[in-house]
Order: sequence, then structure tokens, then C-alpha cells
Amino acid sequence: KQEVTQIPAALSVPEGENLVLNCSFTDSAIYNLQWFRQDPGKGLTSLLLIQSSQREQTSGRLNASLDKSSGRSTLYIAASQPGDSATYLCAVRDYTGKLIFGQGTTLQVKP
Amino acid sequence: GAGVSQSPSNKVTEKGKDVELRCDPISGHTALYWYRQSLGQGLEFLIYFQGNSAPDKSGLPSDRFSAERTGGSVSTLTIQRTQQEDSAVYLCASSLTGDGGYTFGSGTRLTVV
Repeated sequence: KQEVTQIPAALSVPEGENLVLNCSFTDSAIYNLQWFRQDPGKGLTSLLLIQSSQREQTSGRLNASLDKSSGRSTLYIAASQPGDSATYLCAVRDYTGKLIFGQGTTLQVKP
Repeated sequence: GAGVSQSPSNKVTEKGKDVELRCDPISGHTALYWYRQSLGQGLEFLIYFQGNSAPDKSGLPSDRFSAERTGGSVSTLTIQRTQQEDSAVYLCASSLTGDGGYTFGSGTRLTVV
């Protein structure tokens, strides 16, 4: 059974820091991996999608990597801003089409 | 439409009543998913549709929960005889088959009193 774990559960950093969020999964047979952002009381916003054949994806200050063989992904946020404060969710899509989520990392960026 | 649309955005219902939650996926997206997010909890998979069929219903928590999808588009999640533990945000997502990612709606916040 696929399990997705995110570390740390919570993170507080001063504005301007670069930071890394970690995601690990137990079964390497994944179709793709997607990072989402969730603001309090809101739905999920897709940040980056990495196909199983890819190693990384970049969008602005965000960079996500995927090492399928070791079951790991990282989300790198450069020059963090208070507006980046949110919960970040990692999810893997298996070959049945189901998306399996981690518990999330709640990020607070202090001005 | 441009995004996944869910209605209502908020629903307060009395314990024991039935509720229907609606999801209108992105046009052309053949896959549709329902998830539930309870307060302070992660996302719990409920059911997945490919077209109008549901190959995976394994996440439905009890037989009070059912879902259907018609015309390969709109889906309705029905909860019968609601209980307080059903209170949660119900999220719908759609996806193209193949290498598409998921797009989520804003959710329906259900409160059972």
C-alpha cells in the first residue's frame, strides 16, 4: 500500500530564506507526483507536476525534484516571502489513477 | 468551464438529513475524483470516476455514501442520514487521462449539526 510522508510537519522561517520541503513515498511505481498549495479554508492549488520519467520541474521561485528509485521528492522555495505561508501537499498518482496525499507541511514565513 | 466548480460552497444540515454535493469538472476531463478533508486531517480518497464508471469506490466510508456521474461530466456525491462525523470539506478534482495533473475545485464545506 502506497504511503506518502512529508517532513517537517511545520516550518517557520524568516522572510528571504531558501527552504526545502521533503516528501517520501513507499512504492516507486508511480505515474507522476504533484505538489499543491492549500491556503486556510481554501481548496488546493497545483504548483508543479513531475512525470515519472522526469527529474525536476521549475516554476518561478519553486523547484521540485523527483528521485523515483529512492522514493523521494523535494520542493525548493527560493527567497521565501510572507505570501508563501500556506500548507504544502505532496501527492503521488499511482497507475490506477488514484492520487495519494501526504499530511502536508505547514509553512510560515515571517516578515 | 475554466476550472472545477463545486456547489454549494457551504452546507449546514441537520443530523439525519440527506445531502447532495455537486461537482462540475473541467470540460474534456474524463477522470473525476472525490476527496474529503476533515478538520486538521489530510485528504482522504473517496471515489474515482473514469467516464461514467467508478472503478474504485474503496474510499467510501459507509453505505450512506454514494456517487454518480452522468454524461461523463457532472458528478453528485450523496450522503444519506448525515452524521456529525460527516462534517468536513468535500473536494472534487478532475484530470485528463494520460499525463495530466489534477485540478481541484474550491470544495464544499459540510457541517452537520
